[in-house]
Amino acid sequence: SQQGEEDPQALSIQEGENATMNCSYKTSINNLQWYRQNSGRGLVHLILIRSNEREKHSGRLRVTLDTSKKSSSLLITASRAADTASYFCATGVNTGKLIFGQGTTLQVKP
Amino acid sequence: EAGVAQSPRYKIIEKRQSVAFWCNPISGHATLYWYQQILGQGPKLLIQFQNNGVVDDSQLPKDRFSAERLKGVDSTLKIQPAKLEDSAVYLCASSSNRDRPLGYTFGSGTRLTVV
Repeated sequence: SQQGEEDPQALSIQEGENATMNCSYKTSINNLQWYRQNSGRGLVHLILIRSNEREKHSGRLRVTLDTSKKSSSLLITASRAADTASYFCATGVNTGKLIFGQGTTLQVKP
Repeated sequence: EAGVAQSPRYKIIEKRQSVAFWCNPISGHATLYWYQQILGQGPKLLIQFQNNGVVDDSQLPKDRFSAERLKGVDSTLKIQPAKLEDSAVYLCASSSNRDRPLGYTFGSGTRLTVV
């Protein structure tokens, strides 16, 4: 079963703009992770935020987590054409299992 | 560090045939996962191993899917007989410690087409 719902489903922006994707989930979590998937390739882990954290940064990525609203957002600043991909949020539970959302498809136009 | 290796990369079979996928996780990673990703959807967990024991196989269609992880290293996932709806990418992932997750490492996947 899918836990996360991502919004928007698709996003198209110009190079240099910021991209924001949102994720909502239903049950208690241990952590929340974001992954990128280029067309036809495997998933690449971007960032993990634990349930007791509110914000985390990694390079041009900023992730926020609001456990009271069961939601997270991923911000990519100064986007590049190479950022074009699908982005998935995944909620982690204590067993190590990850439950993925449906993903957001990002297109960055040069 | 070598990544998660999967083979074959692509497979086309007819319905009712059988197929097997192979995964070699990152050395030392105790936890191994098989995910099914249908086109346009997020990955869905099929089975999770901790060493060579099964932790979660609640979403594995056990009437046709089977998986094993001998000696706690390599793993194979088998489908017999295949159905049209099994067409998907099958992703293998591994992680070092399920109690302190640092993120999974995924393989490139096997794209299965059932015709």
